[in-house]
Amino acid sequence: AQSVTQLGSHVSVSEGALVLLRCNYSSSVPPYLFWYVQYPNQGLQLLLKYTSAATLVKGINGFEAEFKKSETSFHLTKPSAHMSDAAEYFCAVTQNSGYSTLTFGKGTMLLVSP
Amino acid sequence: DAGVIQSPRHEVTEMGQEVTLRCKPISGHNSLFWYRQTMMRGLELLIYFNNNVPIDDSGMPEDRFSAKMPNASFSTLKIQPSEPRDSAVYFCASSPNRSGANVLTFGAGSRLTVL
Repeated sequence: AQSVTQLGSHVSVSEGALVLLRCNYSSSVPPYLFWYVQYPNQGLQLLLKYTSAATLVKGINGFEAEFKKSETSFHLTKPSAHMSDAAEYFCAVTQNSGYSTLTFGKGTMLLVSP
Repeated sequence: DAGVIQSPRHEVTEMGQEVTLRCKPISGHNSLFWYRQTMMRGLELLIYFNNNVPIDDSGMPEDRFSAKMPNASFSTLKIQPSEPRDSAVYFCASSPNRSGANVLTFGAGSRLTVL
C-alpha cells in the first residue's frame, strides 16, 4: 500500500521568497516519487522525479526536491518564487519494484503575490 | 508529437444522458490511464490499460462507467447514464510502458458538467 500526504492545501509566498511545499509518503517498499505541476485549465506536467539515484533531485524552472528516507519526506523547494510559479502542485508515489500505479496527493495551490 | 489529445474539452449534458470522452495517447506509448479530478477527492485513477488490455479497473466508480481501448491510438471513457455527481475533469495520460519510473504525460482534460 502507498499514500501521499501534502501538508497545506494552499501556500502563499511573495515574489522572490523561498517556496517550500511539503510531501510525506507511505510505502511498504522503496518508492519512486514525483512532483507534477498543474496550471489552470491544463493537464499535469512533470517537475521532477526521484528513482533511487541521487537523493537531491533537480527539476525544471529552478525547483528541486530532496528524498529523506528517515523522514519519509520529499519536499519541493525553490529559492526564489516567480509570479509564473502560481499553480497547483501534486506529489505522487509509486513502487520501484514490480509495478504499481501512481498515487497522488490532494495537491497544494501555490499563490505568489507581487 | 502533439502529446495526449483529449476530446471534448468541455461537455455540458443533462442527467441521464450518455457521455463519451475520447483520448489519443502518444504514439509508441503502451500504457494508458484515465483519471478523474474533483475538489473533494482530488485525482483518482479510474482504469489503466497496458497494450490495449485493461489491467486494473478497480477505480471505476460503478457500472455506469466503462472504458475501452480498441487499438493503440484510441481510448474511450463512457458514462451511461450520467449523474450530477459525475461532474469533474477527466484526464487521460499515457506512458511508454509499465515501469513505475516512467513519467505520465497528461492530456489537457475533459471538463464534464452534468445538470
